[in-house]
Amino acid sequence: GENVEQHPSTLSVQEGDSAVIKCTYSDSASNYFPWYKQELGKRPQLIIDIRSNVGEKKDQRIAVTLNKTAKHFSLHITETQPEDSAVYFCASSSFAGAGSYQLTFGKGTKLSVIP
Amino acid sequence: DTAVSQTPKYLVTQMGNDKSIKCEQNLGHDTMYWYKQDSKKFLKIMFSYNNKELIINETVPNRFSPKSPDKAHLNLHINSLELGDSAVYFCASSQDFRHSGGSYNEQFFGPGTRLTVL
Repeated sequence: GENVEQHPSTLSVQEGDSAVIKCTYSDSASNYFPWYKQELGKRPQLIIDIRSNVGEKKDQRIAVTLNKTAKHFSLHITETQPEDSAVYFCASSSFAGAGSYQLTFGKGTKLSVIP
Repeated sequence: DTAVSQTPKYLVTQMGNDKSIKCEQNLGHDTMYWYKQDSKKFLKIMFSYNNKELIINETVPNRFSPKSPDKAHLNLHINSLELGDSAVYFCASSQDFRHSGGSYNEQFFGPGTRLTVL
């Protein structure tokens, strides 16, 4: 089955600095890569996603890059703020049947932004 | 106007008991999922249903039985609870990708149910 590796597991940055989280996946058929943010005690929420026909996508301070050949994708957060502190999960998709797809998640990165 | 809701939010019970968690979505989605998040925060798919049909059934003990009475509801029943079942269980839903030209769409998560087995 699909395997997703995520690094680092913890990341501390000073407010205003950039943060980068990297993921690799194993299934070359995967074509949808979402990133979820989970604050303490809350549900995972999608912050950005990228599809395999796109190499980069940006939304304000957040950007994601995808290298399909190397099977890795990264999340970049610029000008970090204390409210960016959370656990971030990358995920890779695979077809599951009927109209369903399955997400395989990385193990998460706990980002701490120090004021 | 909650999109995906779960009840209860917290569940504390003794080993050996049977319990259920309910999930409802009002997004009009056809596909619903159950995930387990363990103490190390690892999120893992357990089941998925599409329009009441079981699609994904990962390696989960038979004590776990999902039930989907209609496409807006997916409940999880757990028999003979064990200590290792303690976790946060998240329900999620997504649009059937066949309705969007084959493109996968966002999975929306419920607020989670924290299950503690004593």
